[in-house]
Amino acid sequence: SQQGEEDPQALSIQEGENATMNCSYKTSINNLQWYRQNSGRGLVHLILIRSNEREKHSGRLRVTLDTSKKSSSLLITASRAADTASYFCATDLYSSASKIIFGSGTRLSIRP
Amino acid sequence: NAGVTQTPKFRVLKTGQSMTLLCAQDMNHEYMYWYRQDPGMGLRLIHYSVGEGTTAKGEVPDGYNVSRLKKQNFLLGLESAAPSQTSVYFCASSYSPDRHPTDYGYTFGSGTRLTVV
Repeated sequence: SQQGEEDPQALSIQEGENATMNCSYKTSINNLQWYRQNSGRGLVHLILIRSNEREKHSGRLRVTLDTSKKSSSLLITASRAADTASYFCATDLYSSASKIIFGSGTRLSIRP
Repeated sequence: NAGVTQTPKFRVLKTGQSMTLLCAQDMNHEYMYWYRQDPGMGLRLIHYSVGEGTTAKGEVPDGYNVSRLKKQNFLLGLESAAPSQTSVYFCASSYSPDRHPTDYGYTFGSGTRLTVV
């Protein structure tokens, strides 16, 4: 079974708008990561947030983590055509912190 | 600095054939992973390794074997390919100077697209 689940499964927005994706997970974690995958390519690490952090920024990316609700959100501000991709959250397991488990992803499309 | 390199990039196998996928990393990472990605299902962990000479099972290990004889290489083997193993396979590695390798982002290869007919 998958640890993390993203919502929505697909999102289409206008260029320049903000995009928000959510991730929910089931068990306690050490940290949560977000990855981007362009069509036909490998995954690229975007940002990592630790369980004792509530918010983190990296350029146009903002990630929040609510461990009480077991959820995270990824906000991409001022979207660009190049942001079109699938976005995945990944969590480790607090009891077995040697691997991460991925959710099924959110497909983001940016309309020109 | 190539990062994580996977070979081959594409392969078509007949049912029952065997093959080995090679993953090589030049970042001196301790941890290496094999995932498969199927449409709509995200990535699922097949096997992983926490260091040279060690391997462990992931979520979907059946039908696959792995070996980590050298730190920089992680091999994924299919002994008798089945159509259900048609997928895109990704290798990843992670740096781990301490006991929490997941404190660092993974570096992924570009994938191997395998079709079993």
